[in-house]
Amino acid sequence: SQTIHQWPATLVQPVGSPLSLECTVEGTSNPNLYWYRQAAGRGLQLLFYSVGIGQISSEVPQNLSASRPQDRQFILSSKKLLLSDSGFYLCAWSVPTEAFFGQGTRLTVV
Amino acid sequence: SQQGEEDPQALSIQEGENATMNCSYKTSINNLQWYRQNSGRGLVHLILIRSNEREKHSGRLRVTLDTSKKSSSLLITASRAADTASYFCATDHLIIQGAQKLVFGQGTRLTINP
Repeated sequence: SQTIHQWPATLVQPVGSPLSLECTVEGTSNPNLYWYRQAAGRGLQLLFYSVGIGQISSEVPQNLSASRPQDRQFILSSKKLLLSDSGFYLCAWSVPTEAFFGQGTRLTVV
Repeated sequence: SQQGEEDPQALSIQEGENATMNCSYKTSINNLQWYRQNSGRGLVHLILIRSNEREKHSGRLRVTLDTSKKSSSLLITASRAADTASYFCATDHLIIQGAQKLVFGQGTRLTINP
């Protein structure tokens, strides 16, 4: 069966520090991968999606970047975090009828 | 921009009652999905309804879709304390051939009181 792993679960980082969040998928090949951000009490905003290795598309301009170095690995990064980068980050992969989400990373920038 | 808008934003009912949540969207869709999110966790897929369907059932869940009004509703019957969560509707949009993205609404926070 397919599973998705996302880590860490929580992260507190100072302003200006770098960021690396990792997501891996098991049990499927060539998945469509997504990074979402969720502000407190709000819906999900799509940040990046990837349809293949090295293929990254950004939905919104921001301080973040994404990379897909391997088929089932998706990384969210920042060189210098801003306070506004705080939020709940969710990785997901999808088939046409359903999306499967990781457990999320709570990022607090202080 | 957000495609779906849920209504109400928050709902609190007694255990055993039915809970109804509504979702409106703006553009044409292929299907509409409902997801559930427990506090601080990832989302879990509940049910999908296609654009040519009007109603769908899954256990205690009943989803309706009115494409003429661009709206959907999720009904949870005989609610339980364990149903306490946030519920989101999501519409799919073609990105490129073979890939779609989901656009989520703001969600409804449902609280079931014992």
